[in-house]
Amino acid sequence: QSVLTQPPSVSAAPGQKVTISCSGSSSNIGNNYVCWYQQLPGTAPKLLFCDNTKRPSGIPDRFSGSKSGTSATLGISGLQTGDEADYYCGTWDSSLSAWVFGGGTKLTVL
Amino acid sequence: EVQLVQSGGGLVKPGGSLRLSCEASGFTFNIYSLNWVRQAPGKGLEWVSSISHDSRYIYYADSVKGRFTISRDNAKNSLYLQMNSLRAEDTAVYYCAKDPYGFDPWGQGTLVTVSS
Repeated sequence: QSVLTQPPSVSAAPGQKVTISCSGSSSNIGNNYVCWYQQLPGTAPKLLFCDNTKRPSGIPDRFSGSKSGTSATLGISGLQTGDEADYYCGTWDSSLSAWVFGGGTKLTVL
Repeated sequence: EVQLVQSGGGLVKPGGSLRLSCEASGFTFNIYSLNWVRQAPGKGLEWVSSISHDSRYIYYADSVKGRFTISRDNAKNSLYLQMNSLRAEDTAVYYCAKDPYGFDPWGQGTLVTVSS
């Protein structure tokens, strides 16, 4: 049982937009920055961005993020088949003194 | 190029020990915190441990506390994870990752299998 809650899977057609939610609490998302990671099949995770800022080079602006209260959302527009991957949210939990991740969301581009 | 290259890992019996290493290049190693994250087969990401740039602050997940020890050698640009009293549930791909403000980059990962 992950501290952060994500939907197990989402799907959409190429060119469409999809959103992935990440729900937490005041001890984690509510008071700390949220990062999003993409893990392509068989590879190490890759940072997309944190709180929609500090975007590593090479991450397109088709990937966007938002946060409200104790929830965060990843948006991916102009979906491509190459976007098929597992996506994870992560943040620091001040009560646990630990980094926490969501359970991951598998994106399928139909 | 900022890079983390991992070594170590392999097959070990329950109750055994293993040491993972992570060698950094392309950045000033001694000013950044570092982390270990693992991923059991077919499962999600689980944070394992973090160490501050000067080793002054160290944190562990409850699942490994008392069994795993994180350390670093800033002179060798290297991060380590000493894993003792290994259990079957420790079987996973282990990744090292650099801070701050997001784990970036990640090492290539190394598989640890705990089985008799």
